[in-house]
Amino acid sequence: EDQVTQSPEALRLQEGESSSLNCSYTVSGLRGLFWYRQDPGKGPEFLFTLYSAGEEKEKERLKATLTKKESFLHITAPKPEDSATYLCAVQPYNFNKFYFGSGTKLNVKP
Amino acid sequence: NAGVTQTPKFRILKIGQSMTLQCAQDMNHNYMYWYRQDPGMGLKLIYYSVGAGITDKGEVPNGYNVSRSTTEDFPLRLELAAPSQTSVYFCASSATRGGATHTGTQYFGPGTRLTVL
Repeated sequence: EDQVTQSPEALRLQEGESSSLNCSYTVSGLRGLFWYRQDPGKGPEFLFTLYSAGEEKEKERLKATLTKKESFLHITAPKPEDSATYLCAVQPYNFNKFYFGSGTKLNVKP
Repeated sequence: NAGVTQTPKFRILKIGQSMTLQCAQDMNHNYMYWYRQDPGMGLKLIYYSVGAGITDKGEVPNGYNVSRSTTEDFPLRLELAAPSQTSVYFCASSATRGGATHTGTQYFGPGTRLTVL
C-alpha cells in the first residue's frame, strides 16, 4: 500500500538553529516526491520535486534530498518567516494520484 | 493569471443539504484534483480529472461527485451533506509535459472551508 509518513509532527526551533524534517514513503514505483509549504488558512505552495535517489535541490535556506525510502528537508539557519507546515507527497509511477503525509508544523522563534 | 480559484471561501450546510464547490484554473492545465484536509492531517484525494470529460476516483470519493465539461472548470458536488464532510476542500491543477511524462507539480487554490451541522 502506498503511504507517506512525516516526522516530527511539530518542531520548534530558535532562529538560526538548523534542523531536518523527515518524509518516509512506501510506493509501488516512484514517479516523483514533492515538498510543499502551507501557511495557515492557505493552500499548499510548491517547493521541490525530486525524481530519483541521490537527487538534491536547494532554494534559499531549504535543501531537499531523496533516498529510496525517505526524503529530508534540511533547513539551514531558519528565520521566523520559515514558520509553516511542510507537506511531503509522492506520486506512484503508474498512477495520476498523489499521497500526502500529515505534515510537519515548524515554528521558528526569534 | 489568477491561477486556481475556488468559491465559496466559507460555507455552512445543514445535514442533508447539497451544494457545489466551484474550481477554475486559467493555466490551461489538463489535470485537476479535489482534496480534503481534516485538522492536523494531510490531504486526501477525492476525485481527479486528466482532461475534459474524463474523471476518476481518488482515496475518499464516497458522498461526492464531479464533472469536467471544460478544461478550465472542475466542480465538486456534495449530495446529502453529512457532518463527516466537515473539512477544508482544496482544488489543484497541474500541467502535462509532452509524451507520457506528467510533471506532477500541482498548483493549489485557496480552499473552501465547509462546516456541516
